[in-house]
Amino acid sequence: DQQVKQNSPSLSVQEGRISILNCDYTNSMFDYFLWYKKYPAEGPTFLISISSIKDKNEDGRFTVFLNKSAKHLSLHIVPSQPGDSAVYFCAASAWGGSQGNLIFGKGTKLSVKP
Amino acid sequence: DAGVIQSPRHEVTEMGQEVTLRCKPISGHNSLFWYRQTMMRGLELLIYFNNNVPIDDSGMPEDRFSAKMPNASFSTLKIQPSEPRDSAVYFCASSLTLGTGKSGYTFGSGTRLTVV
Repeated sequence: DQQVKQNSPSLSVQEGRISILNCDYTNSMFDYFLWYKKYPAEGPTFLISISSIKDKNEDGRFTVFLNKSAKHLSLHIVPSQPGDSAVYFCAASAWGGSQGNLIFGKGTKLSVKP
Repeated sequence: DAGVIQSPRHEVTEMGQEVTLRCKPISGHNSLFWYRQTMMRGLELLIYFNNNVPIDDSGMPEDRFSAKMPNASFSTLKIQPSEPRDSAVYFCASSLTLGTGKSGYTFGSGTRLTVV
């Protein structure tokens, strides 16, 4: 049973436009959500996070939106750049991750075309 | 800071052989995690340690898998005997505390295991 779902395996966007990556979750106990970025042959690297008590968190070109009622979050990248091309993983944890329970989605491969 | 260091980067072995993957967490980090990435299942947690003690190994797929953390700076994941379905990328991650906090875990570059 997948608790964190990324239903789009891939996304292609033109440079300069907005990239929107989506993530759905099923566990209402999740209280922290994180996005990781992964380049080929490298490990995932932390990008941005949001607490369940907020609905938006912004860091430069990256903004994460959380809709708790819909159990949905999204990552917006504006403007998209070719260097943003990577696999993006959504992750979630309950109890602040104190149970070591950071659960990942399967990822969405973003391609930003020049 | 050298980050989380994993070795080897690539491992090709024959079915039935023993495989040992190694991880050096970031100095001062108290929690260590082993993840496996496959196309079918994505990133799944195998086992994690806190202060060198295994806390939850419920993600370990079979008894063929074992993990140890003899000290704060070293952990191993062993597969014995290995099977072709174990082929995957294995990631080690560490964090300052058990909680994810705002910045989650720091991952190593992974070990790509191929069992033929």
